[in-house]
Amino acid sequence: DQQVKQNSPSLSVQEGRISILNCDYTNSMFDYFLWYKKYPAEGPTFLISISSIKDKNEDGRFTVFLNKSAKHLSLHIVPSQPGDSAVYFCAASEGGGGADGLTFGKGTHLIIQP
Amino acid sequence: ETGVTQTPRHLVMGMTNKKSLKCEQHLGHNAMYWYKQSAKKPLELMFVYSLEERVENNSVPSRFSPECPNSSHLFLHLHTLQPEDSALYLCASSQGGQGVNSPLHFGNGTRLTVT
Repeated sequence: DQQVKQNSPSLSVQEGRISILNCDYTNSMFDYFLWYKKYPAEGPTFLISISSIKDKNEDGRFTVFLNKSAKHLSLHIVPSQPGDSAVYFCAASEGGGGADGLTFGKGTHLIIQP
Repeated sequence: ETGVTQTPRHLVMGMTNKKSLKCEQHLGHNAMYWYKQSAKKPLELMFVYSLEERVENNSVPSRFSPECPNSSHLFLHLHTLQPEDSALYLCASSQGGQGVNSPLHFGNGTRLTVT
């Protein structure tokens, strides 16, 4: 039973436009959410996070939105650039994160077209 | 350059072999993790070590045996694996502890193939 779901295995977006990646979760105890980016042959790298006490966090071109009532979060990338082409993983943890580890979604492969 | 280094990058082993995966972190973190990534599946948490003590096992088969000699090093000892154990094994570290929102920092993984 997947607790973190990314229902779109892939997404294609034109360069310069907005990319929106979605993630749903089922565990209401999750209180810390993260997005990771992964290039082929590399490990995932941390991109941006949000605590459940907030509904938005922004870092440059990347913004994460959290809707706790819908148990939904999204990652917005604007404007999209060719280097953003990668697999994006949504992850969540409960109890404030820390040493408990993270629960990951299956990932969405984002393709930025020139 | 990643602060978490994993060796080897690729490993091919037979089902009767014994091998070990190594992970080293240079970030001063106090928690280390092993994750498994199989094709078309989410990353699965295998083991967590916090302050060099194992805190989670997640029902991993005994053919996988972790070792954490100090806060900077983590090993995964492998023996009598099955072909379905072929996957990407990722090591990660974080500044752990309850109430601490600390992202995981991953190594580049070991691509394991069991023949």
